[in-house]
Amino acid sequence: GQNIDQPTEMTATEGAIVQINCTYQTSGFNGLFWYQQHAGEAPTFLSYNVLDGLEEKGRFSSFLSRSKGYSYLLLKELQMKDSASYLCAVRALSNDYKLSFGAGTTVTVRA
Amino acid sequence: DAGVTQSPTHLIKTRGQHVTLRCSPISGHKSVSWYQQVLGQGPQFIFQYYEKEERGRGNFPDRFSARQFPNYSSELNVNALLLGDSALYLCASSLGAGEAGANVLTFGAGSRLTVL
Repeated sequence: GQNIDQPTEMTATEGAIVQINCTYQTSGFNGLFWYQQHAGEAPTFLSYNVLDGLEEKGRFSSFLSRSKGYSYLLLKELQMKDSASYLCAVRALSNDYKLSFGAGTTVTVRA
Repeated sequence: DAGVTQSPTHLIKTRGQHVTLRCSPISGHKSVSWYQQVLGQGPQFIFQYYEKEERGRGNFPDRFSARQFPNYSSELNVNALLLGDSALYLCASSLGAGEAGANVLTFGAGSRLTVL
């Protein structure tokens, strides 16, 4: 089975930096995804990591360590619109058609 | 360009009834997946269809079924509804069906089902 853990909630101040950690235990690994989901809306794709290291995309960066079963999503220069749930998801096998999601981390940005 | 569209957006049913949810993928996408998201949890995989064939099924009872049509749209059917079926049902489309590479899923806004 797949086990994906991430913190339930985080709070940060506008303009600050927040790091959302995700640990996973899966039968095989072929990619880790981060999605953002605002309340009542669809999850939207943020990042994809399949090799170790850091992927940077504007204010958002995602890091992966396959040997540690660990990823983080870094949100810089936080804005009020970044208040949302952030979902970590793993694709286990190269021909696996499904993503296994964590429960999500709700980030609240305060003024 | 239209994204993934789902209908209806909200619906209320009573226990024992049947429901059909519909999904239209992004133009050019041949794969449709269905996920169930219970409040406070991450999405759980139900089905994937690619080129009108079922490619995968999650750990859901036989009351759940789906199909994909020649135009790549899809329906999710749930029979004999239970209170625990209350959830947001998300449809996602992608170009392929799980090949190496990102093969990013693009989600629709979902159909929120309430079972009373």
